[in-house]
Amino acid sequence: GESVGLHLPTLSVQEGDNSIINCAYSNSASDYFIWYKQESGKGPQFIIDIRSNMDKRQGQRVTVLLNKTVKHLSLQIAATQPGDSAVYFCAEVAVGTGRRALTFGSGTRLQVQP
Amino acid sequence: SAVISQKPSRDICQRGTSLTIQCQVDSQVTMMFWYRQQPGQSLTLIATANQGSEATYESGFVIDKFPISRPNLTFSTLTVSNMSPEDSSIYLCSVVLTGNTIYFGEGSWLTVV
Repeated sequence: GESVGLHLPTLSVQEGDNSIINCAYSNSASDYFIWYKQESGKGPQFIIDIRSNMDKRQGQRVTVLLNKTVKHLSLQIAATQPGDSAVYFCAEVAVGTGRRALTFGSGTRLQVQP
Repeated sequence: SAVISQKPSRDICQRGTSLTIQCQVDSQVTMMFWYRQQPGQSLTLIATANQGSEATYESGFVIDKFPISRPNLTFSTLTVSNMSPEDSSIYLCSVVLTGNTIYFGEGSWLTVV
């Protein structure tokens, strides 16, 4: 399939290592954040979300951290696997304003070396 | 989650023509959106598809170029009109489910030649 994110920043990790993908957001009113994974030839796949009343949320092998003070979001992937290779996007929305449309970050390509 | 089906999944179009993309959801949803992802880029919101009324467009997108229909709570169409090579992109349908979780279809990959 076609590739997305041809000119994106790339994070290269060894299989089994932990990965940390960072994202800065700009809208102070944003109160809901989502991480998506996009594999080549596919649409964005929901990974995990977090609301602004939390600073950490864990899923299966993934953890999202939110620092509202510096408007920073991170996605941690434990024991990274080759299947984790993809482009990762953070997205934000100010649900409290009634809005549900997302503003996306620029994306990071994760490459997992076997 | 919901099953979000887009058609066509991929197409090659001649410049100057128009193409309508369909988005079908397997459950009723209150909010549907259309996004564009240009090659090597992130996703950009085109418009909010409003059921029974005109879509709400983001800055830089206009109805004449991207007419949208949403006749019911499970279906929407996006037309890309008078296409040029700059319109070569992935066009993605997105829906809001219970709890504000937002999901995407697999996208419609358009190449304009």
